[in-house]
Amino acid sequence: GQNIDQPTEMTATEGAIVQINCTYQTSGFNGLFWYQQHAGEAPTFLSYNVLDGLEEKGRFSSFLSRSKGYSYLLLKELQMKDSASYLCAVRDYNTDKLIFGTGTRLQVFP
Amino acid sequence: DSGVTQTPKHLITATGQRVTLRCSPRSGDLSVYWYQQSLDQGLQFLIQYYNGEERAKGNILERFSAQQFPDLHSELNLSSLELGDSALYFCASSGDRGDGYTFGSGTRLTVV
Repeated sequence: GQNIDQPTEMTATEGAIVQINCTYQTSGFNGLFWYQQHAGEAPTFLSYNVLDGLEEKGRFSSFLSRSKGYSYLLLKELQMKDSASYLCAVRDYNTDKLIFGTGTRLQVFP
Repeated sequence: DSGVTQTPKHLITATGQRVTLRCSPRSGDLSVYWYQQSLDQGLQFLIQYYNGEERAKGNILERFSAQQFPDLHSELNLSSLELGDSALYFCASSGDRGDGYTFGSGTRLTVV
């Protein structure tokens, strides 16, 4: 089975940098995804890591260490609109289904 | 528009009733996934179909069932509804072992 852990809530200031961590235990790993979800809306894709290392995409970066079962999402130059939940998800090797963590609710303050 | 279409967007029904939620995947995507998200909860995986066949099952209640049709659209049937079934139900689709999982806008089900 899979177990995915991420902090429940985080706060940060506009313009700052925030790192959201995710640890996972899985029986069959085939990639880690980060999604952003505003309340009541659909999750939207942010990033995908299947190999170790850092993937950068504008203000967002994601890091993966498969040996440690660890990932983080780095958000730079925070904006008020970044206030949302950030979901870490692991893809199952055999079925391709995504298993999600409970999400981290980020609040950005002025 | 994500390319994944879910209908209806909102549904209000009484306990004990049966409803059907519909999902049309992104063009070319063979896999369809259904998720349930209760208030302030994470996305719970329900069931996955690939090209018409059930591929994986999560914590889906026996009162719930789903299918994927030859045109690849999928339906999630929820029966004997209870108050606790009130949630957002999302459908997502993906290509053949590709990177992208695209979510529909969801169906908000309220059971009264």
